[in-house]
Amino acid sequence: EVQLVESGGGLVQPGRSLRLSCAASGFTFDDYAMHWVRQAPGKGLEWVSGISWNSGSIGYADSVKGRFTISRDNAKNSLYLQMNSLRAEDTALYYCAKGRNYYGSGSCFDYWGQGTLVTVSS
Amino acid sequence: SYVLTQPPSVSVAPGQTARITCGGNNIGSKSVHWYQQKPGQAPVLVVYDDSDRPSGIPERFSGSNSGNTATLTISRVEAGDEADYYCQVWDSSSDHPDVVFGGGTKLTVL
Repeated sequence: EVQLVESGGGLVQPGRSLRLSCAASGFTFDDYAMHWVRQAPGKGLEWVSGISWNSGSIGYADSVKGRFTISRDNAKNSLYLQMNSLRAEDTALYYCAKGRNYYGSGSCFDYWGQGTLVTVSS
Repeated sequence: SYVLTQPPSVSVAPGQTARITCGGNNIGSKSVHWYQQKPGQAPVLVVYDDSDRPSGIPERFSGSNSGNTATLTISRVEAGDEADYYCQVWDSSSDHPDVVFGGGTKLTVL
């Protein structure tokens, strides 16, 4: 059974940093792209960032480019999101999502975690 | 950037057919994926690559994509289908491919 478990969320002041983690199990982690998708309270889904199986391809939404960094450790079956210079508009539930296959055009997300809540407020 | 347009809401009686549209410029040339999200739960993939269903998704869920509109069709709607539905594509128009979601459609079962 595929499981994705996010952690690391919490309340943080504007301008500070936070690191999210996603522990994956139930599939061959290093065969698949992985992504972060967020959802602000009462709002829709927004893709944040994605990374290919070997970290060779990485992408970011314009809203987080230059502030967030995605990474993965295939030996630990883990995905990470380093979030710096956080803003109030980054407040959201952050989901870890497994790519159905490759990273890039045409791909989708076939499994999602339950999310970790990030609240940016003073 | 590429924009996907969904109706905010769709209402249908039980047993009827619900159609949820996703509009985008020449979306027929892209692979469209659909997700169902029930309150307090993570999204679930219900249709991928325009019209394929993941294992475990009922045959009542189907998809089509042509021209400027993709459509998720839910036949014989049940109360348990009440949820938010999102379409998703990749936008490869720039030098860095991005994932785009539609704004979501709330399906109400009357």
